[in-house]
Amino acid sequence: DTGVSQNPRHKITKRGQNVTFRCDPISEHNRLYWYRQTLGQGPEFLTYFQNEAQLEKSRLLSDRFSAERPKGSFSTLEIQRTEQGDSAMYLCASSLGSTAQETQYFGPGTRLLVL
Amino acid sequence: ILNVEQSPQSLHVQEGDSTNFTCSFPSSNFYALHWYRWETAKSPEALFVMTLNGDEKKKGRISATLNTKEGYSYLYIKGSQPEDSATYLCALPGAGNNRKLIWGLGTSLAVNP
Repeated sequence: DTGVSQNPRHKITKRGQNVTFRCDPISEHNRLYWYRQTLGQGPEFLTYFQNEAQLEKSRLLSDRFSAERPKGSFSTLEIQRTEQGDSAMYLCASSLGSTAQETQYFGPGTRLLVL
Repeated sequence: ILNVEQSPQSLHVQEGDSTNFTCSFPSSNFYALHWYRWETAKSPEALFVMTLNGDEKKKGRISATLNTKEGYSYLYIKGSQPEDSATYLCALPGAGNNRKLIWGLGTSLAVNP
């Protein structure tokens, strides 16, 4: 399968614990996006990378969140000291180019539940 | 702030019915509109990218139209099948180089056999 993959698919953690998610984009896609979807809402932008450079972070991304994309391939999203409000579906997408018409291809998401 | 609205929020139809959904957006600063289908436990699947006023795209029984002057896009499904049950989302890239997608809340479609 050459699509976008995300691991784990589900994560249950206790409040205060750290969690890390991984996204493997389609190879050769130089753009990688992270979005978050909470119940009843559409996905919301968190951050994006152009190759290995993180170019923008949403105000939704507090200091407890950090994302990396070493070597411009896979990406990780870490949440430190998780809170119940972090419970959401975390989606990763990749695209080849940067035009408005460029399709973003999505992974299946990681569903996080913070108890 | 780009505000994307979708209606209806949910829809229940019988197998064989045709149906349509609406995505509304501000007509100024339009760049493109993306339609996605998201089935439970799967990845959101890209359906169409609409760019020009009057665009019509078709994929099997699903088609979409675009009116950038009045700020709306319609998605049509002809002869709905149970496998069409999913949430249909539209998204528009915002201004700027980041091309982050601004999403509607989606239309949840359930097709009863």
